[in-house]
Amino acid sequence: TQLLEQSPQFLSIQEGENLTVYCNSSSVFSSLQWYRQEPGEGPVLLVTVVTGGEVKKLKRLTFQFGDARKDSSLHITAAQPGDTGLYLCAGMNYGGSQGNLIFGKGTKLSVKP
Amino acid sequence: DAGITQSPRHKVTETGTPVTLRCHQTENHRYMYWYRQDPGHGLRLIHYSYGVKDTDKGEVSDGYSVSRSKTEDFLLTLESATSSQTSVYFCAISDIPGGVGYYGYTFGSGTRLTVV
Repeated sequence: TQLLEQSPQFLSIQEGENLTVYCNSSSVFSSLQWYRQEPGEGPVLLVTVVTGGEVKKLKRLTFQFGDARKDSSLHITAAQPGDTGLYLCAGMNYGGSQGNLIFGKGTKLSVKP
Repeated sequence: DAGITQSPRHKVTETGTPVTLRCHQTENHRYMYWYRQDPGHGLRLIHYSYGVKDTDKGEVSDGYSVSRSKTEDFLLTLESATSSQTSVYFCAISDIPGGVGYYGYTFGSGTRLTVV
């Protein structure tokens, strides 16, 4: 069974600080996605990483896919209160008749002004 | 003008009663998914559909059934609701298996179901 482990589970920081969230697995994934979820809403896709070693930047967010395609990280520079939310990583699971996504349990980020 | 809507948004029901949740999309996407989200467990796949009348089980399918008679609608039925099915249910759509690609999965806003 493929599993995605996210750490830390909870993170509370002050505005302006930097942070890194990790997503690890013992399985190889063909791609990984990162989503952000705000209270009362569904997750929203931030990025998809496909190639081992790939780095993608989205304003103050930097996403990296591990060389072996088993892990990924999300780094936020100078966090702002608007970054508050639940960050989820997700990987493609080929079980069943069609592929579908499995999700990590998430990292709940709180950025205080 | 959301491309995916879930109904109802909130529901309280009694143990043993059947419950149907609806997911409606206007994107004409082939793939539709039902997940439940619980503290400590994250998002877990219940069932998914890869076309009209084509469905498959996910990780936590016991006690749930689905139907897809039209491209735009995917129904989730709790045959006899139990307290362990109290959860937030999310529907998602994609045009590619597993949502791999630029758009990923598009999620609905969720249905909060309480079974008392």
